[in-house]
Amino acid sequence: KQEVTQIPAALSVPEGENLVLNCSFTDSAIYNLQWFRQDPGKGLTSLLLIQSSQREQTSGRLNASLDKSSGRSTLYIAASQPGDSATYLCAVVQGTDKLIFGTGTRLQVFP
Amino acid sequence: NAGVTQTPKFRVLKTGQSMTLLCAQDMNHEYMYWYRQDPGMGLRLIHYSVGEGTTAKGEVPDGYNVSRLKKQNFLLGLESAAPSQTSVYFCASSSYSPLHFGNGTRLTVT
Repeated sequence: KQEVTQIPAALSVPEGENLVLNCSFTDSAIYNLQWFRQDPGKGLTSLLLIQSSQREQTSGRLNASLDKSSGRSTLYIAASQPGDSATYLCAVVQGTDKLIFGTGTRLQVFP
Repeated sequence: NAGVTQTPKFRVLKTGQSMTLLCAQDMNHEYMYWYRQDPGMGLRLIHYSVGEGTTAKGEVPDGYNVSRLKKQNFLLGLESAAPSQTSVYFCASSSYSPLHFGNGTRLTVT
């Protein structure tokens, strides 16, 4: 059974720091991996999608990497801002487009 | 574009009552999903549908039923609510990845 783990569970950093969020999964047979952002009381917004054949994806200040063989992905956020404060979730896709989620990292960026 | 719309946003039920959560999407997506989100447990898949008229069980289907009579709608039913079903419910849709989520329904069962 696929298990997805995110470390750390919570993170508090000052504005301007570069930071890394970690995601690990136990079964490397995935179609893709996705990173989402969730604001309090809201749904999830897709940030980045990495296909299983890709190593990384970039969008603005965000960079996500994927190492399937070791079962790991990282989300790198450059020059963090208070507006980046949210919960970040990773999810792997197996089977018929079913996502299996990690429990998330709650990020707070303070001015 | 409205995207994925969930109704209602909040609901309080007493144990044993029934209700239906409605999810509507206007993106002509084939796939639709119902997840529940509980503290410390992440999002867990309840049921999903790969097209109009089809449904399938996810990770935690017990106590729930679903229907997809129209492509744009996916209904989640609770026939006899239990306190263990207190949660935030999210609907999502996609045509392959990525998923588009609604803003959730917060359900409390007392």
